[in-house]
Amino acid sequence: SQQGEEDPQALSIQEGENATMNCSYKTSINNLQWYRQNSGRGLVHLILIRSNEREKHSGRLRVTLDTSKKSSSLLITASRAADTASYFCASPNFGNEKLTFGTGTRLTIIP
Amino acid sequence: DGGITQSPKYLFRKEGQNVTLSCEQNLNHDAMYWYRQDPGQGLRLIYYSQIVNDFQKGDIAEGYSVSREKKESFPLTVTSAQKNPTAFYLCASSLFRGSNQPQHFGDGTRLSIL
Repeated sequence: SQQGEEDPQALSIQEGENATMNCSYKTSINNLQWYRQNSGRGLVHLILIRSNEREKHSGRLRVTLDTSKKSSSLLITASRAADTASYFCASPNFGNEKLTFGTGTRLTIIP
Repeated sequence: DGGITQSPKYLFRKEGQNVTLSCEQNLNHDAMYWYRQDPGQGLRLIYYSQIVNDFQKGDIAEGYSVSREKKESFPLTVTSAQKNPTAFYLCASSLFRGSNQPQHFGDGTRLSIL
């Protein structure tokens, strides 16, 4: 079963706008990770946020984590055409041995 | 440059045939993983290995086998018992075992049935 579920499944915005993607998970976690996948390529790790952190920044990326709601969001500011990709959240399974990936949000940036 | 190399990029399997997908890493990572990705889907874990000569089944191990004889290599065999092998296969590694480690991915092997 899916631990993480992203929302929306697909998102199209104009270049320069901000993009927000959400992730919900089911069990208690010690961290949550976000990855990007360009079409036909492997995943690239973007950011890891620990359960005792509420917000984390990396360049134009901002990730928030709300453990009370079991949810996380990824904000990409000032989007660029190169941001066009699928974005996945990944959270630990019970026992923290492995990651479970959501189904992803497909982001399209319109030039 | 350090990274993960998967080969081949494309692979075709005939009925009843076993095929092996290669995954090599030069990152000196302990843990390695195999995932399957179907169109429009997330990743599903097939097998993972936290140390040489040890591996565990993931969520969808049936019809697959692996070995971990060397730290840098983690090949995946798709056996004839896997009746629906058409998918994109991704190999990943992390420095240490555990879900709090970022994973580094190869660029995948796309497997199709002839």
